[in-house]
Amino acid sequence: NAGVTQTPKFQVLKTGQSMTLQCAQDMNHEYMSWYRQDPGMGLRLIHYSVGAGITDQGEVPNGYNVSRSTTEDFPLRLLSAAPSQTSVYFCASRHALANTDTQYFGPGTRLTVL
Amino acid sequence: SQKIEQNSEALNIQEGKTATLTCNYTNYSPAYLQWYRQDPGRGPVFLLLIRENEKEKRKERLKVTFDTTLKRSLFHITASQPADSATYLCALDMSDGQNFVFGPGTRLSVLP
Repeated sequence: NAGVTQTPKFQVLKTGQSMTLQCAQDMNHEYMSWYRQDPGMGLRLIHYSVGAGITDQGEVPNGYNVSRSTTEDFPLRLLSAAPSQTSVYFCASRHALANTDTQYFGPGTRLTVL
Repeated sequence: SQKIEQNSEALNIQEGKTATLTCNYTNYSPAYLQWYRQDPGRGPVFLLLIRENEKEKRKERLKVTFDTTLKRSLFHITASQPADSATYLCALDMSDGQNFVFGPGTRLSVLP
């Protein structure tokens, strides 16, 4: 199993550009989520999905879109990048029972918006 | 909303000693709490989960306690080794039962 994979590993954007961060998992997990991590702050939830076709907003959803057309993939789209979106982005997945199962994280995408 | 504090941004201890990290929360008591390890440039790795009705959980050299009265969890690493140096994050389930809120982490350095 590859686990949770993310691409790209690094990305530099100019303000106003759009891009998609890719996330895939091969563990047949129902639940996937996107977090951002900034210095001195904990991981903050952006969007999450409890299954294909179902998505919902987390704590900091503004400026981001998601979709879940398959169980395996959960891409995160930045519609119009802003410097405030400079961060490290992590995708995570787990089985549906949150209180019994491990949450697996990808290696992260480091994004810089100029 | 839930606010989480972890005792200090950085903690230095000597090899062989017990490291104790603290996670305090302010609002509702979560049904369960998790601890993760994060190495530089990598994603967090799950270590332990403890439920509200469990006072203590152990896994090899790791021990977690959960005190809902004090609204606090303690994470212990016994016989610490330089390889234990990393940032440790605590995470609490949110009121929706589906998602987690993470603390800012404590960077542990175990000195040889």
